[in-house]
Amino acid sequence: DAGVTQSPTHLIKTRGQQVTLRCSPKSGHDTVSWYQQALGQGPQFIFQYYEEEERQRGNFPDRFSGHQFPNYSSELNVNALLLGDSALYLCASSLIATEAFFGQGTRLTVV
Amino acid sequence: AQSVTQLGSHVSVSEGALVLLRCNYSSSVPPYLFWYVQYPNQGLQLLLKYTSAATLVKGINGFEAEFKKSETSFHLTKPSAHMSDAAEYFCAVSVDAGGTSYGKLTFGQGTILTVHP
Repeated sequence: DAGVTQSPTHLIKTRGQQVTLRCSPKSGHDTVSWYQQALGQGPQFIFQYYEEEERQRGNFPDRFSGHQFPNYSSELNVNALLLGDSALYLCASSLIATEAFFGQGTRLTVV
Repeated sequence: AQSVTQLGSHVSVSEGALVLLRCNYSSSVPPYLFWYVQYPNQGLQLLLKYTSAATLVKGINGFEAEFKKSETSFHLTKPSAHMSDAAEYFCAVSVDAGGTSYGKLTFGQGTILTVHP
């Protein structure tokens, strides 16, 4: 079992650009959540997808959007990047009434 | 809304000493509680979870935590620290999101554990 896989592992973007991060959930998991972890902070919940729909959303602007595909994989899109968007982005997958498993994360640097 | 407070951003212990990492939570409904560990440049790994069963929860690598409702606490302990325990530890809370999953996790700020030889 490959666990939760995220790509790319590192990314450098310029302010104002757009970025797409990808996540493949653990085998058999149908729910994907995304978190932003700024340096020295705990992860902050962005949103959660289940059955291809956004079920819950944290306190993030509309510049952050996502998608879940029929195979349960997911994308996180961020538009009009700001310097403050620099962070480790974590994807977590889960199944009904089970705990979340996290991927290794994508380190995004905005310059 | 739920929240988590981890007391002490840094904890330092000697190898073989007791590890105690403190976590207090706030939740208006019965919570699910978790401890995760994060090694440098890594994702989060689940150590243990409380889901309203036994209040003393045993996890991996010799860690355990006790849920105390009256104190709204879920402190993490390990009787004897090992050098490999050096990492950052996060306490998290979630609530049942309509019975379909644990819902979003709300994390504390983290505690960096240093283990001295």
